[in-house]
Amino acid sequence: ETGVTQTPRHLVMGMTNKKSLKCEQHLGHNAMYWYKQSAKKPLELMFVYNFKEQTENNSVPSRFSPECPNSSHLFLHLHTLQPEDSALYLCASSQGSGTENIQYFGAGTRLSVL
Amino acid sequence: EDQVTQSPEALRLQEGESSSLNCSYTVSGLRGLFWYRQDPGKGPEFLFTLYSAGEEKEKERLKATLTKKESFLHITAPKPEDSATYLCAVQGGYGGATNKLIFGTGTLLAVQP
Repeated sequence: ETGVTQTPRHLVMGMTNKKSLKCEQHLGHNAMYWYKQSAKKPLELMFVYNFKEQTENNSVPSRFSPECPNSSHLFLHLHTLQPEDSALYLCASSQGSGTENIQYFGAGTRLSVL
Repeated sequence: EDQVTQSPEALRLQEGESSSLNCSYTVSGLRGLFWYRQDPGKGPEFLFTLYSAGEEKEKERLKATLTKKESFLHITAPKPEDSATYLCAVQGGYGGATNKLIFGTGTLLAVQP
């Protein structure tokens, strides 16, 4: 148990569906992240939030919409996805920017887009 | 552009056969180099952070070292439970506030009994 919980663990959706991924951290951290992990590729940073403010959007398509209502919760809203969006979506949290930035990850949501 | 390259892509060892994994990096102002372990179906699990060349850290059978261009993860007398994908990441950026990590593609380690 890392202190970062992601739900659901698995999700299958059609290209016209709308769904949301949820992440909750119990570590008292101030920064939260969304990553995409595809086979044979490095973890790809999607979004960063510091103190609920988005500080990084790594040229992510608008069909992915993040939401951070407070420092403990992070959502990723999905709509009109493409089959190539199928991947493991990981949430992470850290104390924040500064000299130590250890990011702790959740178990991920395995997304399949049909 | 910041970049991380890990080698080999995959490594198969016999139980007790020591070896090393490599992480080469280029980054503007290294603020930290991170090693993670990832088991199938799980998220990456933090192992070590190294901040400056010459630094070493150990945990059980693992030892991480850092130079100005690369890091090694040495595995001494591995056991089957050490089988996993090992990820390396760097945090760069002179001054300012940046918490972006750049990851490598990982080394898949399989330790056979």
